[in-house]
Amino acid sequence: DAGVTQSPTHLIKTRGQHVTLRCSPISGHKSVSWYQQVLGQGPQFIFQYYEKEERGRGNFPDRFSARQFPNYSSELNVNALLLGDSALYLCASSLGPQGIDETQYFGPGTRLLVL
Amino acid sequence: AQSVTQLGSHVSVSEGALVLLRCNYSSSVPPYLFWYVQYPNQGLQLLLKYTSAATLVKGINGFEAEFKKSETSFHLTKPSAHMSDAAEYFCAVSDRANDYKLSFGAGTTVTVRA
Repeated sequence: DAGVTQSPTHLIKTRGQHVTLRCSPISGHKSVSWYQQVLGQGPQFIFQYYEKEERGRGNFPDRFSARQFPNYSSELNVNALLLGDSALYLCASSLGPQGIDETQYFGPGTRLLVL
Repeated sequence: AQSVTQLGSHVSVSEGALVLLRCNYSSSVPPYLFWYVQYPNQGLQLLLKYTSAATLVKGINGFEAEFKKSETSFHLTKPSAHMSDAAEYFCAVSDRANDYKLSFGAGTTVTVRA
């Protein structure tokens, strides 16, 4: 079975632009979470979606938004890009919402560079 | 608030030597603890997790970790390092008070010397 897939793998944008990152969860998984991993740091939680509804949001500005589609794939949108948004963006999927018995499976990430 | 501190951003070991990666956590309620590994240009892979059952947790690839409540620690060990263990390792914590959201440490990069 295919794992979590993310597209694109790499992206270069300039300040002020917007970007859309995409994630396809493992087949059968209904929950998708997004994380930002800045170079030299651990991943930081951005959003979780379960059954197309937002179930959690990390400490990120409103420039960050996301949605989940009926097929459980997800998009992360970032508006008005800043240099500090340069990072690896990771998507993780799980069968259900984040909970003690739910293991999250991570995709390879999208590396975003903002110039 | 929950948080994780990983002691040592870089660890270098000889092939065949013990691997020890240190992780300390803080949590206001009973924590659930995880170790993930990240190979270059790949996503995170779960090595093992502690969910309040046995305090000594065995994971994949010969790794294990011990939960010590009195020391608020969850150190990761492997008796004999292999070249393929070279990667970045992340400790993470979640708890009921934070809706089980994962909070990660800054990571420890392991290099293995031949």
